[in-house]
Amino acid sequence: EAGVAQSPRYKIIEKRQSVAFWCNPISGHATLYWYQQILGQGPKLLIQFQNNGVVDDSQLPKDRFSAERLKGVDSTLKIQPAKLEDSAVYLCASSRGNSGSGYEQYFGPGTRLTVT
Amino acid sequence: AQTVTQSQPEMSVQEAETVTLSCTYDTSENNYYLFWYKQPPSRQMILVIRQEAYKQQNATENRFSVNFQKAAKSFSLKISDSQLGDTAMYFCAFINAGNNRKLIWGLGTSLAVNP
Repeated sequence: EAGVAQSPRYKIIEKRQSVAFWCNPISGHATLYWYQQILGQGPKLLIQFQNNGVVDDSQLPKDRFSAERLKGVDSTLKIQPAKLEDSAVYLCASSRGNSGSGYEQYFGPGTRLTVT
Repeated sequence: AQTVTQSQPEMSVQEAETVTLSCTYDTSENNYYLFWYKQPPSRQMILVIRQEAYKQQNATENRFSVNFQKAAKSFSLKISDSQLGDTAMYFCAFINAGNNRKLIWGLGTSLAVNP
């Protein structure tokens, strides 16, 4: 079974530029998550999708961040314009759904973003 | 409030020895799932072990086992026969059962296994 795929793995941009990250979840996983992880901290949930609908985006800075999950599969996360404090690892995760082992989240390798 | 507390920011252990990472959590619900995740330096977050709150038996995965004390809301991870590859950040997390719930994370414990 293929894992969660993310690209790019690394990205360096200047502040005020825009950037986009892509995620392909494990096949059949209905729920997709985007997390922001600052160095030395735990993951912070930015947005959670159930199929192609948004379940939770309460911590997404909507003035600059946007995300979509077209057709309930792949997802993109965009930042425009980027700020220095956006430097972090952006993790994508997926899970089957809401019961038993379906709560287990599987993570991609992450995208390390550096804003200069 | 739903919280996870990992009281040990850093720990170290000698190779082949046993180490226990502590975790306490708070939830008012009765049906939930607990997890330990491992994140090696600059590498992917992976699931180590899962425990269902309705199960009294402690989960075990090879060298990894948990001590789940539901009344005390405690969920510690024991690593036996520590290996150099166990060096990583370890995160404790839980999720309440039900639709559209989110994982509540601890701040992590950085474990160093020394040769």
